[in-house]
Amino acid sequence: GQNIDQPTEMTATEGAIVQINCTYQTSGFNGLFWYQQHAGEAPTFLSYNVLDGLEEKGRFSSFLSRSKGYSYLLLKELQMKDSASYLCAGMDSNYQLIWGAGTKLIIKP
Amino acid sequence: GAVVSQHPSRVICKSGTSVKIECRSLDFQATTMFWYRQFPKQSLMLMATSNEGSKATYEQGVEKDKFLINHASLTLSTLTVTSAHPEDSSFYICSAHGAADYYEQYFGPGTRLTVT
Repeated sequence: GQNIDQPTEMTATEGAIVQINCTYQTSGFNGLFWYQQHAGEAPTFLSYNVLDGLEEKGRFSSFLSRSKGYSYLLLKELQMKDSASYLCAGMDSNYQLIWGAGTKLIIKP
Repeated sequence: GAVVSQHPSRVICKSGTSVKIECRSLDFQATTMFWYRQFPKQSLMLMATSNEGSKATYEQGVEKDKFLINHASLTLSTLTVTSAHPEDSSFYICSAHGAADYYEQYFGPGTRLTVT
């Protein structure tokens, strides 16, 4: 079956770094996505990885290891506005997104 | 970037009535649109995939006669919740991608449906 696993909740301190892990199993693979979702709002796109390695985009970076079925989202210099849910999604061979349940990130001052 | 709108953003309806939600791609042609439902503190659940000009493909467990989807043009898809019940209260989100951008879905802002 297809499955995405990520932690339910994480807490970090403003200004610090946090890594959110995601493991995936999909039927075929066309990439791994990370989305940010604030409460009551739709998800917004953060990153897309289809090749192994690290993609850096400002304070956010995303890593993929296809052999391990593993990805992480790294957030640096955390700000209070980064408090949100972070959704990991794998794209299968039919280009359909398989969604994780999301990781709620709580940032404390 | 590509913009997807949804209307209405919030709707309250009485049990037994029907509600229509519109999803529009404003600056691109959406060959495929997706309808999701999200309950509080849960992830997105794909309800159906709709391709312009053809019937929607529904996910297992989603009643196609209850959730009517129409994708009549390359910029508009509608979801009609028929004979709504309180358990249909949820956050409904649509997303779309164009022909060339198959890997990125652009999300609408969502519609909060409350059935009383």
